[in-house]
Formats: sequence, C-alpha cells, structure tokens
Amino acid sequence: NAGVTQTPKFQVLKTGQSMTLQCAQDMNHEYMSWYRQDPGMGLRLIHYSVGAGITDQGEVPNGYNVSRSTTEDFPLRLLSAAPSQTSVYFCASSLTGTASSYEQYFGPGTRLTVT
Amino acid sequence: LAKTTQPISMDSYEGQEVNITCSHNNIATNDYITWYQQFPSQGPRFIIQGYKTKVTNEVASLFIPADRKSSTLSLPRVSLSDTAVYYCLVALYNQGGKLIFGQGTELSVKP
Repeated sequence: NAGVTQTPKFQVLKTGQSMTLQCAQDMNHEYMSWYRQDPGMGLRLIHYSVGAGITDQGEVPNGYNVSRSTTEDFPLRLLSAAPSQTSVYFCASSLTGTASSYEQYFGPGTRLTVT
Repeated sequence: LAKTTQPISMDSYEGQEVNITCSHNNIATNDYITWYQQFPSQGPRFIIQGYKTKVTNEVASLFIPADRKSSTLSLPRVSLSDTAVYYCLVALYNQGGKLIFGQGTELSVKP
C-alpha cells in the first residue's frame, strides 16, 4: 500500500491564482480530512469527509473547497490564493469515523507559498 | 467542542520515563482520547488511543481516570529519537471521529 499520497510536495502561487492540492489513499478508508499547519502551531481542520459524496466544514474552511466523488480521492481547491494561505497542508484518512479506532494516517504534506 | 490543554514544552534525559498530562474537561460520553507524535517536516503519527482506565502498546501507555477529564501519556525510557511534538486530541464520536488539534507539547530529550 502507498498509504496517503499528496501532490505536489511544494507549490508557489501568486495572489489570486487558483489551484488544487491532490490527496489519494489506497486503504479503502471512509474518512478523509484536510488540515493546515502554520509555523509553530498545531494543525487546524479545514474540511473533512465521512464518505464518498459527503463533505463538511472544519475550523477554517473559508477560501477552500472540497469534493469527494470517490472513496480514494479528496482534492482541496484554493479558489483565489491569498498570502494568509501560505502554510503546510496535510491530508489524512482513517478507516471509519464510527469504529472504535480513530487512527488517522497522514500524508507527507504540501508546502504552499503564496506571494 | 472538546478542547484539550497540555504543557507547551517538556525536557527530559535519555532513559527516563516521560509523562505528559492533558486535560479535556468537556469530553463527551462516547468520545475517545488519542495521542499523536509529529517530527519536523512530517505529518503526525498515531501513537495510542483509549476510552478509560489504562491502555498499553509497544511504544506508550495511556492512563485515563474514571472521570475522563484528563489523561496521561507515558513514554518509557525515552531516547533522543523521541524528541518531537506530542498532541493530545479528543476524537468526536458524533462527528465521525473528527480530530481537533491543540498546540501540542514539545518534548526535548537530552543525552
């Protein structure tokens, strides 16, 4: 298993540009989520999904869109990039949010800089 | 929303046992307590989870008192490679196991 994969690893955008961060998992996990981590801080939840076709907002959803058309993929779209979105983005997945195990597997992260 | 509070930083020496305590006063009945470890430039890694009493695995133990308002992660005989940030989280049962990260505890292990 490749686990959770994220592309790209690094990205530089200009203010106002849009882009999609890709996330995929091959573990047949129902639950997937996106976090951002700013320097010296913990992770903040952006959006999450409990299964294909179902998404919900986390703590900091503004400026981001998600969709979940398949179990495997959970892309994160930045609609109009702003410098405040400069951060490291992590995607995570877990088997299910209703089982007795909440172990989430994290991807390697995407480091995004918006100038 | 369940929020956790833990020390910002801790220092230890190789070979010592380290205990990191976390408070979660608003934990709901069906929520689980989970702990993650994060090294620089990497995503967090799951360490352990528990509901009540004591849970042990190959890397750590988790102690949860009966009132479940706090928990303690115990790392036996730490080494330099245990230097990392440790996060205590509550997995929200009624929200699909959603995790809300706090600031974490930066553990520094010295030789």
